Amino acid sequence: DQQVKQNSPSLSVQEGRISILNCDYTNSMFDYFLWYKKYPAEGPTFLISISSIKDKNEDGRFTVFLNKSAKHLSLHIVPSQPGDSAVYFCAAINQGGKLIFGQGTELSVKP
Amino acid sequence: ETGVTQSPTHLIKTRGQQVTLRCSSQSGHNTVSWYQQALGQGPQFIFQYYREEENGRGNFPPRFSGLQFPNYSSELNVNALELDDSALYLCASSFRGQGNYGYTFGSGTRLTVV
Repeated sequence: DQQVKQNSPSLSVQEGRISILNCDYTNSMFDYFLWYKKYPAEGPTFLISISSIKDKNEDGRFTVFLNKSAKHLSLHIVPSQPGDSAVYFCAAINQGGKLIFGQGTELSVKP
Repeated sequence: ETGVTQSPTHLIKTRGQQVTLRCSSQSGHNTVSWYQQALGQGPQFIFQYYREEENGRGNFPPRFSGLQFPNYSSELNVNALELDDSALYLCASSFRGQGNYGYTFGSGTRLTVV
């Protein structure tokens, strides 16, 4: 029962262009969503979050969009940089306050 | 402020053995959660500890157990290891009651069961 899904295992983007990472969820009770970035041999690090009462949250080059009716969120990175190459996880907070993760998308930004 | 530290970083065990993984929470945090990340998958919630008691559990069998100590550090114990237990085990600490769900993750313990 995968409640948070990232259907693209990998994404390759040219430096300077936009990266768009997508995430779908099934539980309409989720009210808080987060994106984490993970480098090899390191734990996930928090990137950006959004509450279900909003449809957009922006932090520098990173913007998260939430479409509640479609149960879909996306992370936009503009402009993409080689240092952004990592695995990105979408996560939701369930009713018990626990993080539920998607499978991850490996982003590769090429110079 | 110190982050979350996990030990050991790598471990190789034989099927049927028992293993204990350790986690020191970030200063000021009182809750510890454990996750299992299999290769190519996202982290899966194992359980969470708050005030030294289990506070929520994912879909893991009873041979996965844990402890939280008065200093908020935690242990994850796995008995009767199986080959499928091979994974990266992540510990995350947080402060319960904080509205921004500030989870801080450690770098993980890579467990290989042979």
